[in-house]
Amino acid sequence: GIQVEQSPPDLILQEGANSTLRCNFSDSVNNLQWFHQNPWGQLINLFYIPSGTKQNGRLSATTVATERYSLLYISSSQTTDSGVYFCAVVGSTGTASKLTFGTGTRLQVTL
Amino acid sequence: DSGVTQTPKHLITATGQRVTLRCSPRSGDLSVYWYQQSLDQGLQFLIHYYNGEERAKGNILERFSAQQFPDLHSELNLSSLELGDSALYFCASSVGRGTEAFFGQGTRLTVV
Repeated sequence: GIQVEQSPPDLILQEGANSTLRCNFSDSVNNLQWFHQNPWGQLINLFYIPSGTKQNGRLSATTVATERYSLLYISSSQTTDSGVYFCAVVGSTGTASKLTFGTGTRLQVTL
Repeated sequence: DSGVTQTPKHLITATGQRVTLRCSPRSGDLSVYWYQQSLDQGLQFLIHYYNGEERAKGNILERFSAQQFPDLHSELNLSSLELGDSALYFCASSVGRGTEAFFGQGTRLTVV
């Protein structure tokens, strides 16, 4: 099946700093989503971005489908950004529609 | 609020017991997925239903079963529970293949 790798695995930032999280995937995709899992365990949708670029406030994401990677940018980080960020994809080969998750990037934003 | 409702939020039960987790998808979504998140395994796909029919199975144990009812809500049944079944169980729904999936708040299961 499709493989999803995220980097870095852990990240510690001071409040106000910027960061870039990366997601590499091994095959073509129909769907790519970024999620934030907050300290209470909730999985919050950030972006649905199988290709192209999107922005939502301090967050933006870019997916280059032909090169099989996606980037999540966090600018002016805040303590509420802490948590785990997951990239998940649906491969375009076959009929499966399940999301395959990466292992996540654990972000800690300190004062 | 994602629009996906899971109950209960927390569940503590003893080894050997059976529990049922419930999921109501977003209005209009025909697909329901179940995922398990444990500390050592990450987020693992269990099973997918589309409009009442099972479409795909992942790493789901034989002790686990699921179904999707005519009103599109779904239930995940876990039986003969073991300590290792302690995990966060998520339900997600989507309109169809390749479309955006939305997750419920999860059910945190603790087996003691």
